[in-house]
Amino acid sequence: DADVTQTPRNRITKTGKRIMLECSQTKGHDRMYWYRQDPGLGLRLIYYSFDVKDINKGEISDGYSVSRQAQAKFSLSLESAIPNQTALYFCATSDYTGTGAYYGYTFGSGTRLTVV
Amino acid sequence: AQSVAQPEDQVNVAEGNPLTVKCTYSVSGNPYLFWYVQYPNRGLQFLLKYITGDNLVKGSYGFEAEFNKSQTSFHLKKPSALVSDSALYFCAVREMDSSYKLIFGSGTRLLVRP
Repeated sequence: DADVTQTPRNRITKTGKRIMLECSQTKGHDRMYWYRQDPGLGLRLIYYSFDVKDINKGEISDGYSVSRQAQAKFSLSLESAIPNQTALYFCATSDYTGTGAYYGYTFGSGTRLTVV
Repeated sequence: AQSVAQPEDQVNVAEGNPLTVKCTYSVSGNPYLFWYVQYPNRGLQFLLKYITGDNLVKGSYGFEAEFNKSQTSFHLKKPSALVSDSALYFCAVREMDSSYKLIFGSGTRLLVRP
């Protein structure tokens, strides 16, 4: 099983619909992130979370919301999807040691979302 | 704020030739730099990172990167390219605040022709 699992892998939805993308991890990491990938723009951060009680906006959070249901689960919702939210979405986790000796990030396989 | 720039949208190289994918960074303090690769219809795969230590970092699949502080660069290199190296490559820097989020460049598509 993958360390970071995203569901669904692909989704086509209609404008105005609510949709949820789910992410679960078995890494035991505290920090989780949602990124969006658009051609020529790289990956941009939507939201991130330190733990279930700590949610933070990224650079492009408008139109999105998140829920950290447990340490291992971090969901991204589009309350009313619009076509310019068509993109590839990645969930990631990060690991940090107190000594700062290692920084590891693990990415899921991505969810390709199309809003028509 | 931290940032990285990948000045080339695409790099073309013949199989067997050396390849370089460029990345420059702008940070306050010491940078934590990463390279990731994305193959078609796949997620991001970690290649290598620079945290501290030797300026030449060796990573997966025969890739290496050279950290150059004076030129604020972290170019990805491979001595002999393979057709299978064709993919999208991202340079990233870790944010210095407590979020530890990664800030990505725009990506460079590498095309290795046979």
